[in-house]
Amino acid sequence: GAGVSQTPSNKVTEKGKYVELRCDPISGHTALYWYRQSLGQGPEFLIYFQGTGAADDSGLPNDRFFAVRPEGSVSTLKIQRTERGDSAVYLCASSEQGGQPQHFGDGTRLSIL
Amino acid sequence: SQQGEEDPQALSIQEGENATMNCSYKTSINNLQWYRQNSGRGLVHLILIRSNEREKHSGRLRVTLDTSKKSSSLLITASRAADTASYFCATVSSGGSYIPTFGRGTSLIVHP
Repeated sequence: GAGVSQTPSNKVTEKGKYVELRCDPISGHTALYWYRQSLGQGPEFLIYFQGTGAADDSGLPNDRFFAVRPEGSVSTLKIQRTERGDSAVYLCASSEQGGQPQHFGDGTRLSIL
Repeated sequence: SQQGEEDPQALSIQEGENATMNCSYKTSINNLQWYRQNSGRGLVHLILIRSNEREKHSGRLRVTLDTSKKSSSLLITASRAADTASYFCATVSSGGSYIPTFGRGTSLIVHP
């Protein structure tokens, strides 16, 4: 079956713009995670959804970052007033249940000029 | 903050040799997971080992867990050039959080 799909694969935008990153998880997976990965680092946790609700958003760096999962499937990570420091690869992962093996998408490479 | 710390940061070996990577962590865990990541791709799950398990095997992979030392190791036997990738450990704490926390990874290069 289909894996986790993330769109776009690349996004280049100017400082101050608004961006939306989309994640289509594996069908039936209730847990969905967003991570941010910088070069040479491991994934850094941003937010975890269990179903439609954000079970843990403690990793969001500030209030410019927001994520939704309105129907418990597709999720969108939204970044307002982007800054150059937001440049990174944004990874989405899903799992059948929280804490179980995760299936990752290939990420969105975000570049803020 | 990152809980797991992989060692070494980089490893370069010849095809056919074994590769060993270590992961140390700080808090009590429910399970520990190993992932691999090829350049420009997402992470792929390799093995999950639970806190009450000491060793697991999957093909050429062998994972050990020593909870008294808060450490785990990943052994890849008879390595192949296709094993070239970054390898990460991720810990899920026993405190009820379902957030896997990743280390910085080990970059493995296998020369043909």
